[in-house]
This record gives sequence, C-alpha cells and structure tokens, in this order.
Amino acid sequence: EPEVTQTPSHQVTQMGQEVILRCVPISNHLYFYWYRQILGQKVEFLVSFYNNEISEKSEIFDDQFSVERPDGSNFTLKIRSTKLEDSAMYFCASSEARGLDEQYFGPGTRLTVT
Amino acid sequence: AQSVAQPEDQVNVAEGNPLTVKCTYSVSGNPYLFWYVQYPNRGLQFLLKYITGDNLVKGSYGFEAEFNKSQTSFHLKKPSALVSDSALYFCAVRDYGNDYKLSFGAGTTVTVRA
Repeated sequence: EPEVTQTPSHQVTQMGQEVILRCVPISNHLYFYWYRQILGQKVEFLVSFYNNEISEKSEIFDDQFSVERPDGSNFTLKIRSTKLEDSAMYFCASSEARGLDEQYFGPGTRLTVT
Repeated sequence: AQSVAQPEDQVNVAEGNPLTVKCTYSVSGNPYLFWYVQYPNRGLQFLLKYITGDNLVKGSYGFEAEFNKSQTSFHLKKPSALVSDSALYFCAVRDYGNDYKLSFGAGTTVTVRA
C-alpha cells in the first residue's frame, strides 16, 4: 500500500540554524500539507500546497517557514532560523483531491531545537 | 471557525468489551469528520470519515462512528475491542467550504487490557 514517507525521523539543530524537512507524498496525490504537534498539544495545521503554490496557511506559518516541491516527488518544509519553540513533531500529509478526500500522513520528523 | 473536542484523555477497556471514543465538533457550516489512529512511532492512520448520507459510518479494523447532528458528535465505536487497538485516537473536522485544513482534537489514549 502506498504511503507518505518523511526524512529524517529525528533532527537536532541549534537555535538560529536552518532546517529542511523532507517528505515524499503518495505518487498520484495532488495536495500536500504540513502539520505539527508540539509535545502534549494538539496536531496543528501549518500549510497546504497545490499546483506549486500555497493554497492556505495558518498564523503559525510566518516568514521563517517556506515550502517547496523541488521535483516531481519531494515536498519540503524549510525553517529559516529555528527557535526553541519550533521543537515539535512535524507531519507531512497528502491527498488525492481536496474537499472530501482524506489526508494520508507520514510518520513524522521530530525536530529538537537546542 | 472549526474545532473538535475529545473530552476523555484516556479510555480503558477490557478485551472483548465495547469501545467508545467520544468526539464533539463545532463548525459554521456542514462538517466533514474524520477519525485517525496513531501507533507509537507511526504517522496518523486514517480510519473513517463522514461526509454525508448514512449517519453510521464503517471504517477500517472493525471501527465505526455515528454522526449525530443534533448533539454535534461523532463518536468512534468498536463492538469488541482487541489488545491491538491500544493506541492514540484523533478526531478531526473540516468545515464545508474549507478545502484544506483539518482541525484535530487533543487525542484520546485507548488502552485495551487482556
């Protein structure tokens, strides 16, 4: 069964450094998403991406964040200058279409900012 | 605005007994409702969804959920729980007219004892 994959599974970085989290969505899916979950808190929506542009973003997704689909398979989330409060589990998801379709999630990348 | 509440942090049941995980939602329009399950070190796995139609929705692994519009609830049920059902369960909602963002509840940890 096709699945969303994410790398790395765990990333440790120092405050102020740039990180790139990588995701390979399911191959025939057209909509891509990033969510995050700070330890002990809810899963929160960050951004959705379709047709090579952002379709929706939350207030969390500020200028420090960016997303890109650099080729036909990868979908990346970049944090330009990490802060301690960026420490969280980051989940990538994809869906075949918008609206009624369920989103399929990857296993997550645990980001630790020290 | 859309939101979900899962009133129970933990649910404990004996194997073979019925399992219910509660969820209530708030949306401005018609809701699209989802249940996901997360096993340790795994991503969120889709279980089932309600879009329209029959209020009783059947999903994966013998789970079902009942949509109740008057009570704004979407409780997850399984008639006979298994030890392997022990996991973290998330309810999520998407508001009609919002094609992208899922809003998640805080999650309910289910423990099924042998």
